Order: sequence, then C-alpha cells, then structure tokens
Amino acid sequence: GQSLEQPSEVTAVEGAIVQINCTYQTSGFYGLSWYQQHDGGAPTFLSYNALDGLEETGRFSSFLSRSDSYGYLLLQELQMKDSASYFCAVNSGNTPLVFGKGTRLSVIA
Amino acid sequence: NAGVTQTPKFRVLKTGQSMTLLCAQDMNHEYMYWYRQDPGMGLRLIHYSVGEGTTAKGEVPDGYNVSRLKKQNFLLGLESAAPSQTSVYFCASSSPAKRASYNEQFFGPGTRLTVL
Repeated sequence: GQSLEQPSEVTAVEGAIVQINCTYQTSGFYGLSWYQQHDGGAPTFLSYNALDGLEETGRFSSFLSRSDSYGYLLLQELQMKDSASYFCAVNSGNTPLVFGKGTRLSVIA
Repeated sequence: NAGVTQTPKFRVLKTGQSMTLLCAQDMNHEYMYWYRQDPGMGLRLIHYSVGEGTTAKGEVPDGYNVSRLKKQNFLLGLESAAPSQTSVYFCASSSPAKRASYNEQFFGPGTRLTVL
C-alpha cells in the first residue's frame, strides 16, 4: 500500500518563504505531485516530480529525493491568495494517485 | 472549453434513497476518476476508468457503482444512501499522453451531498 505524511497546518507571513514537506511510503514509485485547493474550490494541479531535484514554476518550486522518499513544495514571496490547502500525491505506476491528507497554509499580514 | 463539469452541485438525500452524480469532460481525456473528500481526510478514490466501457475500484468503492458508457461521461451511483456517504464528491480526468498518465488531473467543481 501507499501512505503519505504532511503537516496538517502551516502559518507564514506575507512576503516570506514557506516549505511544505511530504514523506511517502509506497511499493513502486513513479512520481510525486502537488495540488492546491482553496476553500470551497476544486483541487488544481501545481507540479510533478519524477526525478530527483528541484522543479521551478514561477513562485512555486517542488523538490524530490527518491532515496529519502521525501519531497517538498516551496512557495516564495507569499501572497494572501496563497492561503489554501496543499496536497501531495504519489503515483506508483499503474495505480491512480494516492493523496496525502493535506496541509492548510495560512498567510498572515 | 468547459473542462470538467458536475451535476448537481448540491443535493440532500434521505437514508435509503438513490441518486446518480454526472461528470462530463470536453477535453477528450481517456482517464476519469471519482473522489470523495471529507474533513481532514484528503481525497480518497472511489472508482476510476481508463477508457470507455471500463471501470475499476479505488480505495473506498463500497456503496457506490459507476458507469462509463461514453468517453466524455462518468456516472457515480449511490443505490441506497447512508449518512456515512455525506461528503463532497469530485470528478477528475486526465490524459495518458501527459505526465505519466495519472499525475495532471483536472477536477470538476464538486458535488456537496448530505444524507440525512
């Protein structure tokens, strides 16, 4: 089976940098994804890492270490609109994504 | 393009009633999924389909049935609703041509279901 662990809540100041960690256990591993979900909204895809290293997309970056079964999402220059829940999800090949329980990010002034 | 749409947006059922949730996508995606989301539980996969006429069970399939008669539609049925099925239901779709198939999923707006 698969399991993912991520912090339930994180609070950060507007303009700062925040890192949301995700550790996973899975039999077989293809990649790690990140999704954002605002309150009352639908999840939206942010990033996908299949190989070790950092992937950058604007203010957001995602990192993967396959040997450590660990990844993180890095949000820079935080804005109030970044307040949302962030989910990591694991792909183990022929099985659909398994999502973590999510991290609620609160950005404060 | 509308993307992924879901019908209805809200519904209240009594225990034992049945209903069908409809998901439609206009992106010509092969893969479609049904999830439920409960507070503090993240997204849990109910059933999924990798193509027209095919369906498979996910993590929490009990009490639900699905059908994929047309590529663009994926129906989720509750035959005899129970209070434990009170949840927000999301449909999603993805294309096997991108990002190892399952990773970049596009979600509908959700259906908020309450079973009394």
